[in-house]
Amino acid sequence: GQNIDQPTEMTATEGAIVQINCTYQTSGFNGLFWYQQHAGEAPTFLSYNVLDGLEEKGRFSSFLSRSKGYSYLLLKELQMKDSASYLCAVVRNYGQNFVFGPGTRLSVLP
Amino acid sequence: GAGVSQSPSNKVTEKGKDVELRCDPISGHTALYWYRQSLGQGLEFLIYFQGNSAPDKSGLPSDRFSAERTGGSVSTLTIQRTQQEDSAVYLCASSFMPNEKLFFGSGTQLSVL
Repeated sequence: GQNIDQPTEMTATEGAIVQINCTYQTSGFNGLFWYQQHAGEAPTFLSYNVLDGLEEKGRFSSFLSRSKGYSYLLLKELQMKDSASYLCAVVRNYGQNFVFGPGTRLSVLP
Repeated sequence: GAGVSQSPSNKVTEKGKDVELRCDPISGHTALYWYRQSLGQGLEFLIYFQGNSAPDKSGLPSDRFSAERTGGSVSTLTIQRTQQEDSAVYLCASSFMPNEKLFFGSGTQLSVL
């Protein structure tokens, strides 16, 4: 089976840095995606990690440790528009490949 | 098309009626997923199509739910004898190949009165 955990809610201040963690247990691991979903909208792609280490893309970075079953999404210089849900998704090499975590609702306060 | 297209964007129906939700994936995408999302909740997997393989129906919540994908392109999700608990946003997503990033449609908001 598989299990993906994320904190349910987080709050941070505009301009700050926030780290959203994702832990997973799965067989056939083949990568991990992060998606952003604003209220009432569809999820949009943020990042993809398949090897260990940090992937940086502007204000957003994503880290993966396959041996620990752990990933995080790091958001720097937070802006009000970053208030959204952040979904961690593990990709497996069999079956219905994408397994989404419950999502973390981030609120950015002024 | 340029993106994943879903129709209708909103559907209000009476309890007991059947509904059909449509998804037009990005042209050439072989993988297609249906998810359900209740207000403030995560994505609930429903069904997965990959190429010409038999679909993975393991997420369908009851036999009132069914889906098909014709010609490896357009997919239709059908809910028979709708119940109030079926009210949710139904999201469709596609990818070029398995394991590649998913592109989501804007969803269909289903309200069962």
